[in-house]
Amino acid sequence: DAGVTQSPTHLIKTRGQQVTLRCSPISGHKSVSWYQQVLGQGPQFIFQYYEKEERGRGNFPDRFSARQFPNYSSELNVNALLLGDSALYLCASSLALGQGAHSPLHFGNGTRLTVT
Amino acid sequence: SQKIEQNSEALNIQEGKTATLTCNYTNYSPAYLQWYRQDPGRGPVFLLLIRENEKEKRKERLKVTFDTTLKQSLFHITASQPADSATYLCALYSSASKIIFGSGTRLSIRP
Repeated sequence: DAGVTQSPTHLIKTRGQQVTLRCSPISGHKSVSWYQQVLGQGPQFIFQYYEKEERGRGNFPDRFSARQFPNYSSELNVNALLLGDSALYLCASSLALGQGAHSPLHFGNGTRLTVT
Repeated sequence: SQKIEQNSEALNIQEGKTATLTCNYTNYSPAYLQWYRQDPGRGPVFLLLIRENEKEKRKERLKVTFDTTLKQSLFHITASQPADSATYLCALYSSASKIIFGSGTRLSIRP
């Protein structure tokens, strides 16, 4: 079975631009969550979606938005990019709600975003 | 404020020894705690989950303990191997269903 897939793997953008990152969950998983990981730190929660509805949001500005599609894939959008948005963006899927409280998170290998 | 702390320094262990990693937290009452392994350039991989009413969990060479009085979890790898070298992350789940990750501990196993 395919794991969580993310695209693109690497991306270079300039300040002020907008970016869209994509994620396909494991087949049968209805929950998708997004994380930002800065070098040397653990992943920081951005959003969770379950059954196409936003179920949780971390402490990120409104420049960050996301959505989940009927096939449970998801997109993360970031507007007006800042240098500080440079990070590894991780997507994770799980069977249930609660960010893996009842089932573990399955992560993709992330999208490395560099903002210049 | 709420904090999660893992061993700030990298851990260097000789092959065959037991590696012990620490996860301390303050101002949380986590219902669950998980440990993940992360290799460079890859996403984290789930290893073990332990609930607040469980003291210990084992899986092959891995063992996790959870002490809600000390607000601490210990992660042990017995008979360590160079292939165990990676960054290990602990993650807490509070009753608010939010997940918080620690910053991770880099473990190196030397032959």
